[in-house]
Amino acid sequence: NAGVMQNPRHLVRRRGQEARLRCSPVKGHSHVYWYRQLPEEGLKFMVYLQKENIIDESGMPKERFSAEFPKEGPSILRIQQVVRGDSAAYFCASSPTTTRRGAQHYEQYFGPGTRLTVT
Amino acid sequence: AQTVTQSQPEMSVQEAETVTLSCTYDTSESDYYLFWYKQPPSRQMILVIRQEAYKQQNATENRFSVNFQKAAKSFSLKISDSQLGDAAMYFCAYRSRDDKIIFGKGTRLHILP
Repeated sequence: NAGVMQNPRHLVRRRGQEARLRCSPVKGHSHVYWYRQLPEEGLKFMVYLQKENIIDESGMPKERFSAEFPKEGPSILRIQQVVRGDSAAYFCASSPTTTRRGAQHYEQYFGPGTRLTVT
Repeated sequence: AQTVTQSQPEMSVQEAETVTLSCTYDTSESDYYLFWYKQPPSRQMILVIRQEAYKQQNATENRFSVNFQKAAKSFSLKISDSQLGDAAMYFCAYRSRDDKIIFGKGTRLHILP
């Protein structure tokens, strides 16, 4: 039972370049969540996606950041024109459905994260 | 908006002793989940324990247990018989009905041999 996969694990970009982070959820999971962890901070919610739909992007910066979860393939978090302040660890989590469906609880499973360094 | 506060940035405990990590939260919801996650140096997020707000009984998982005080909005984690492998960052977290998980800033736990 493969867990959530994220790649690359480490990504170095120069200021102004684009960063593309990939997340492959647990097989059969159709819900993906992205979180960002700045140094010495807890994780902060960015965006929640279902296949081909953005459910909640209230934590995403309004500019330069976008996310998608296509029908086929991994979820992608894209950061355009990166700046030093984007340096962080980006975590993806997945669940099979909404994490609370009736009385049933579904866990969010976290990937190992991608550490983005902007030089 | 919901908030999670961990007031202890760092703690140390002697190996084999017991330590309690504090967490308070703020919410107007009545139905929610609370979690403790462990993040070792590998940065992998590991779920330690989960508590449903509607359950009065405190959750336990082997050496880990919580003290959930719903009225006080307090959710502390007790680690018994501390082991060297318990050294990590510990995050208290809240999950709202809209599925977002809100994390505290973390407590770094050191285990002294």
